[in-house]
Amino acid sequence: GAVVSQHPSRVICKSGTSVKIECRSLDFQATTMFWYRQFPKQSLMLMATSNEGSKATYEQGVEKDKFLINHASLTLSTLTVTSAHPEDSSFYICSAFPAGGAETQYFGPGTRLLVL
Amino acid sequence: EDKVVQSPLSLVVHEGDTVTLNCSYEVTNFRSLLWYKQEKKAPTFLFMLTSSGIEKKSGRLSSILDKKELFSILNITATQTGDSAIYLCAVPPSGTYKYIFGTGTRLKVLA
Repeated sequence: GAVVSQHPSRVICKSGTSVKIECRSLDFQATTMFWYRQFPKQSLMLMATSNEGSKATYEQGVEKDKFLINHASLTLSTLTVTSAHPEDSSFYICSAFPAGGAETQYFGPGTRLLVL
Repeated sequence: EDKVVQSPLSLVVHEGDTVTLNCSYEVTNFRSLLWYKQEKKAPTFLFMLTSSGIEKKSGRLSSILDKKELFSILNITATQTGDSAIYLCAVPPSGTYKYIFGTGTRLKVLA
C-alpha cells in the first residue's frame, strides 16, 4: 500500500514552454503533498507544501508564479513549471502525507526535467 | 534556523566493511528523525526515530538517536554493493509535516 505515482517520469522541453507534472496517491487520500527539487549530487530541497482545497505554501526563494501548484483533489497535486529555462532542469519529486497520519511521507518516483 | 547536517558527504568502502553515517540537527521542538535510502529514483524509508537511546534495527542496518547531543547514526554492517546509495536523514520542523533533509551521504561499496 501507500503508493505515489508521478507523471511523466522524464520530460524534455524547449526553453520558454510550460511543463506540468502530476503527483497521485494511488491507494490513499492525502490532504497534504510536498514538492521537492533535487539537483545532481545534492539533497532534496523542499519547494512547497500543497494543501488540498487551498493555496500552496512556498518555501523562501521559490517563485510561486513560476512554479504553479494545484491540489484539486485528495489524490492529485500538479506542479506546473511555467516559462521553463535551462536552470530549471532538475529532478522533481513529490511526496504525500496520508490523511489521518502516518509514520512517514510517501515519495513518488520523481520526474526528470531537461529544458533545452 | 532549522538545520540538518550529515557527515561524511561521501564514503567509499569495500564489501564486508561496516560503515557509520552521522546526522546532526538543530530543530525547534524536535519530534522525530527519519532515515531514507535513495538509489536512482525517490527515497525509500528506512527508520523513524523518536526516542533517545532506543536502537531500531532492520537486517544489517541499525540506527539510534541521541536527543541530548542532537544527532543520530545509521550503521550498516557487512556492506554489500547493493548498499551503494545516497543516505538521507530528515527532520520535520515544529508543528509541520514537511521535512528538512540533510545534505546526504553518498556511499559506494566496491566489490
